[in-house]
Amino acid sequence: AQSVTQLDSHVSVSEGTPVLLRCNYSSSYSPSLFWYVQHPNKGLQLLLKYTSAATLVKGINGFEAEFKKSETSFHLTKPSAHMSDAAEYFCVVSDHTNAGKSTFGDGTTLTVKP
Amino acid sequence: SQTIHQWPATLVQPVGSPLSLECTVEGTSNPNLYWYRQAAGRGLQLLFYSVGIGQISSEVPQNLSASRPQDRQFILSSKKLLLSDSGFYLCAWSRDRADPEAFFGQGTRLTVV
Repeated sequence: AQSVTQLDSHVSVSEGTPVLLRCNYSSSYSPSLFWYVQHPNKGLQLLLKYTSAATLVKGINGFEAEFKKSETSFHLTKPSAHMSDAAEYFCVVSDHTNAGKSTFGDGTTLTVKP
Repeated sequence: SQTIHQWPATLVQPVGSPLSLECTVEGTSNPNLYWYRQAAGRGLQLLFYSVGIGQISSEVPQNLSASRPQDRQFILSSKKLLLSDSGFYLCAWSRDRADPEAFFGQGTRLTVV
């Protein structure tokens, strides 16, 4: 079984300050982990993914995430927030079983203040 | 390159009316296909997935059904819509269980009135 918990439903930062979106996962197997971003009434866009290679993963738009097996975490970070980063972010886990089904977190809404 | 098309983008339907949402994938063969629903302020709930033509697995009991008449076509249907069917529906595909990265369509905003 697999599950994912996004620890914050809302995060608010000022433009130019760091972003931290927290995610913890549970998986019976070696998981793949993903972060997706969704802008209002749009589909989901992949930010980055971890698939058992390097534990520090760099994605698009300056985002990165670190896979920490001992902490079962995959937190998303960005050194400096931009207004365009305001969106909904989803952490996703997939353990390669059952047709590669993925389990989504409930999402974190990121607000960026000017 | 692969693309996924989902339509319509928005839909307003009366209670009790039928529903048909269509999703097609181009540029790949034998994809895994998925229908998700996103309720307001919540994450995505997997409704159906398919690993091949005519093979549909349902994740949650509901008023909806899915079909896969062709390799790259996935349809979400209902005979009679309920108010609770309102939401944002997303179609997605992935290559196989060894590569679970999912690629999403742009979604359909369904409002049942």
